[in-house]
Amino acid sequence: GESVGLHLPTLSVQEGDNSIINCAYSNSASDYFIWYKQESGKGPQFIIDIRSNMDKRQGQRVTVLLNKTVKHLSLQIAATQPGDSAVYFCAETNPNTGNQFYFGTGTSLTVIP
Amino acid sequence: DVKVTQSSRYLVKRTGEKVFLECVQDMDHENMFWYRQDPGLGLRLIYFSYDVKMKEKGDIPEGYSVSREKKERFSLILESASTNQTSMYLCASSPLAGSNQPQHFGDGTRLSIL
Repeated sequence: GESVGLHLPTLSVQEGDNSIINCAYSNSASDYFIWYKQESGKGPQFIIDIRSNMDKRQGQRVTVLLNKTVKHLSLQIAATQPGDSAVYFCAETNPNTGNQFYFGTGTSLTVIP
Repeated sequence: DVKVTQSSRYLVKRTGEKVFLECVQDMDHENMFWYRQDPGLGLRLIYFSYDVKMKEKGDIPEGYSVSREKKERFSLILESASTNQTSMYLCASSPLAGSNQPQHFGDGTRLSIL
């Protein structure tokens, strides 16, 4: 079955430092990946996505890296700010599952002012 | 921006009650989903729907049913609520299948069954 996990359940970083959040997946057929941010009391918010034909994608202060060889996905946040404090989780899907996404359990990021 | 609206942020019900959770999206999305979110377990799919009057079971459908009478509205029904259904419930929507588009979520309904 599908398995999407995160290496660390919690991460604390100093304001201004860069953050790296990791995710591993098990299905080599996975072809589309998303990172979500979930603040306390809110629903998951889309941050960035990447398709399997790419290994890197950049957004505003965020970069997603995809290593299909080891089935690993990471989210890098540059110059982390207090507003970045939230739970981050990855999600993946593949052609065999159609609309169904599989979600990781999340990493809680705390930014220390 | 896509807006997914869940009718209640917090809900308290009693064991055995029939509970309705409502979700509305305003982007004309074909797909709608209901998840529950529990600490340490992540999001688990309960039911989803590709189109009006269509429904598919997710990973944990037992004890739940759904209704999609209109494209923009997807309802989750707990036929006879039990305490193990206390959870955060999240609704999501996305465009057509196979388009590799993200799901957009509502802010959730925190349901407590006493």
